[in-house]
Formats: sequence, C-alpha cells, structure tokens
Amino acid sequence: EAGVAQSPRYKIIEKRQSVAFWCNPISGHATLYWYQQILGQGPKLLIQFQNNGVVDDSQLPKDRFSAERLKGVDSTLKIQPAKLEDSAVYLCASSLGPPGQYFGPGTRLTVT
Amino acid sequence: DAKTTQPNSMESNEEEPVHLPCNHSTISGTDYIHWYRQLPSQGPEYVIHGLTSNVNNRMASLAIAEDRKSSTLILHRATLRDAAVYYCILREGSSNTGKLIFGQGTTLQVKP
Repeated sequence: EAGVAQSPRYKIIEKRQSVAFWCNPISGHATLYWYQQILGQGPKLLIQFQNNGVVDDSQLPKDRFSAERLKGVDSTLKIQPAKLEDSAVYLCASSLGPPGQYFGPGTRLTVT
Repeated sequence: DAKTTQPNSMESNEEEPVHLPCNHSTISGTDYIHWYRQLPSQGPEYVIHGLTSNVNNRMASLAIAEDRKSSTLILHRATLRDAAVYYCILREGSSNTGKLIFGQGTTLQVKP
C-alpha cells in the first residue's frame, strides 16, 4: 500500500511570497489532515477534511492560509503572504477509520 | 482538551527494555490513550492505543494504570531504529474525528 505523498519536500521562499503544498492521501482514506510542526514542537492540527468538506479549521490562520480538497482526494495548502514565523514542516495525514492516522514525510518550509 | 505530561528525554541501551511514562490525570472516561512516534526527518507513526486494558502489538506494549491517570509505553528490546520522539496523546472516543493534540513528547536516545 502506497503511503501519503507530499510535494515538494523542501521549499525556501522570501517573506511576503506565496507558496503551495500538495498532498495525495492513501487511496480510499476519507479523512485528510494538515499539520504544522515548528522546530522542537509537536505537530499542530491546522485543518481536517472529511471527504471534501471541512470538519475542523479552528487553528488555521485564515487571513493567510487556505486549503482545499479536490473531489475528496488530493489536497493543497496555500500560504499567502508568508511570514517568517511560518517556517516549519507541514505534514499531511490521512485516515480511513480508527485508530491511526498515516502521515506523509512533510514539506519543510523556510521563509527568509 | 485533556493534557498529558511526559519527560523531555530518556536514554536506553540497545537490546534493553524501555519504559516511557505518561501522566494524564485529567483523563475522561471516553478518552483513548494513543501513542505515536516520530523518527528523525519523518512524519509521526502510530504505535499503539488503549482505553482501560493493557494492549500488545508487534511494535510495543501499553500498560494503563487502574485509575487511568497514567500509562507506560513499553519497548521490549530497544534497537537503534527506535530512537525517536514518542508522543502520548489523549483522543476523545474511538471516533475518527477526534483530534490528535500533540505535546512535546519524549525524545528517546538509544545507545549501542
């Protein structure tokens, strides 16, 4: 079974630029999550989709972050404009049901 | 959201058992105890979960105190590949929509 795919793996941008991350979940997984992991901290949930509907986006900074899940499969997370404090690893995870979430390798974003 | 407390770091020798403690004194009756681990430069990986009874799987064992206010993840024979950050997480119910709220976890160092 193929795992969760994410691209790009690394991205360096200047502040105020925009950036987008892509996630392809495990086939058949209805639930998709985006997490932000700042260096030295645990991952923090940004948004959760069930199929192509949003279940929880309470921690998503909506003034600059947006996410969508096309046709209930792939998802993109966008930041516009980026700030220095957005430097982090962005993790995508998917789940079919309890108990576990399956995480991708993440995209490491550096904002200079 | 219920909170867990873990030691920041622990050390173990290769091929010896490791006991990783977690305190969760405010756990509610419907909270499941989940453990994830994150190897360097990878996304988190589900390890094990339980509600009241001790649990075993191919990766580890989970011992849950009778009052459920603490639990211990047991790696029976640590290997160098077990060096990772281990997260103890309380998740409400067995529903897939229950959030995973990661703390800082325990960084396990395994010495040869």
